[in-house]
Amino acid sequence: AQTVTQSQPEMSVQEAETVTLSCTYDTSESDYYLFWYKQPPSRQMILVIRQEAYKQQNATENRFSVNFQKAAKSFSLKISDSQLGDAAMYFCAYRRGKLGANSKLTFGKGITLSVRP
Amino acid sequence: KAGVTQTPRYLIKTRGQQVTLSCSPISGHRSVSWYQQTPGQGLQFLFEYFSETQRNKGNFPGRFSGRQFSNSRSEMNVSTLELGDSALYLCASSLVGIGYEQYFGPGTRLTVT
Repeated sequence: AQTVTQSQPEMSVQEAETVTLSCTYDTSESDYYLFWYKQPPSRQMILVIRQEAYKQQNATENRFSVNFQKAAKSFSLKISDSQLGDAAMYFCAYRRGKLGANSKLTFGKGITLSVRP
Repeated sequence: KAGVTQTPRYLIKTRGQQVTLSCSPISGHRSVSWYQQTPGQGLQFLFEYFSETQRNKGNFPGRFSGRQFSNSRSEMNVSTLELGDSALYLCASSLVGIGYEQYFGPGTRLTVT
């Protein structure tokens, strides 16, 4: 079974600074997808970024980028130029990549990010 | 394009009752998944439906069930509610295929008293 671990329950960053959220996962599969989701106080889960395991290039979406280390099974999220609106809970998630596989996401426990003005 | 909608948004029920939650996916999305979110257990997968068939089920008791209609709308039902069923229930929809991301609804907050 796949597992996703987010060992830091809380982090804090100064507005305009950069912060990195850590995530490790365990799987015996070679094809999979990794995601970061953001859940603000409204509780609406929002997709931040996705990474395909077969791609060596790290995904980037505006101020958000990942550091994907497949051999180390590590998938960290870097938020640059942090904004007050980035304050939320962030979840790392894993999904199998096999053809015909179901859509099940396996989530980590989440990290609460606070942004100091 | 409208997002995933869930109704009701909030619900208060008494132990022993049953409840039905509804989810309307994004237009064109045929896969619908349900998750339970609690402070203690985090986000846990309940089940996924595609083409009116349950494609996968998480480790939940048989009191939790679901179905999907021909228009891809989905419902989940919890019978004989227990206090521990109090949670945020999230529905997510996606296109069918490898790697398509899931888009989540706002959730239904269920409180069991």
